[in-house]
Amino acid sequence: DTGVSQDPRHKITKRGQNVTFRCDPISEHNRLYWYRQTLGQGPEFLTYFQNEAQLEKSRLLSDRFSAERPKGSFSTLEIQRTEQGDSAMYLCASSPTGGPSYEQYFGPGTRLTVT
Amino acid sequence: AQRVTQPEKLLSVFKGAPVELKCNYSYSGSPELFWYVQYSRQRLQLLLRHISRESIKGFTADLNKGETSFHLKKPFAQEEDSAMYYCALQGWGAQKLVFGQGTRLTINP
Repeated sequence: DTGVSQDPRHKITKRGQNVTFRCDPISEHNRLYWYRQTLGQGPEFLTYFQNEAQLEKSRLLSDRFSAERPKGSFSTLEIQRTEQGDSAMYLCASSPTGGPSYEQYFGPGTRLTVT
Repeated sequence: AQRVTQPEKLLSVFKGAPVELKCNYSYSGSPELFWYVQYSRQRLQLLLRHISRESIKGFTADLNKGETSFHLKKPFAQEEDSAMYYCALQGWGAQKLVFGQGTRLTINP
């Protein structure tokens, strides 16, 4: 296991199109997180799963965004009707279940460019 | 509201000089504080967490609840310390991390 993986690494799409990103966490990690990072800013929390349950969603996650983790393993993040403001790096992270201060392991990110 | 402020976007020091990256937070309770680092062309990774009270790669950080700060320090900077550093907060009982905007540290030879 080489860590958290994300696919694709880069995505260029036209405004109005739908896009889907995939995240594969470290295999024994039950918790999975999505963050978004825009230029010059730190990552911002979007949502988090424990196993297949989505336990928290940020107000940043508008109705156009949906995340799933159907079998408690990989997760997908879909953005419908993309807008230019959606251009960002989308980061996935995972951590083991346990205390809140467990390390979150980050993937390499998917860079989305909406033209 | 939870907020993390890193007042310096850029910090440049010479090799061998002391380094201090500032982090202030806003949280009405006892948070967990972390420093994450991103080296060039690498993914974001944990550097240290306040609960461990450990020194990693010569870096230390002390939580000052009175000043609501968690500054990162190293007495003698090395060129390999050049990276992007993010301070992050985790509220009590929460899972999400709240990040600052980051400080780009450059160590000059």
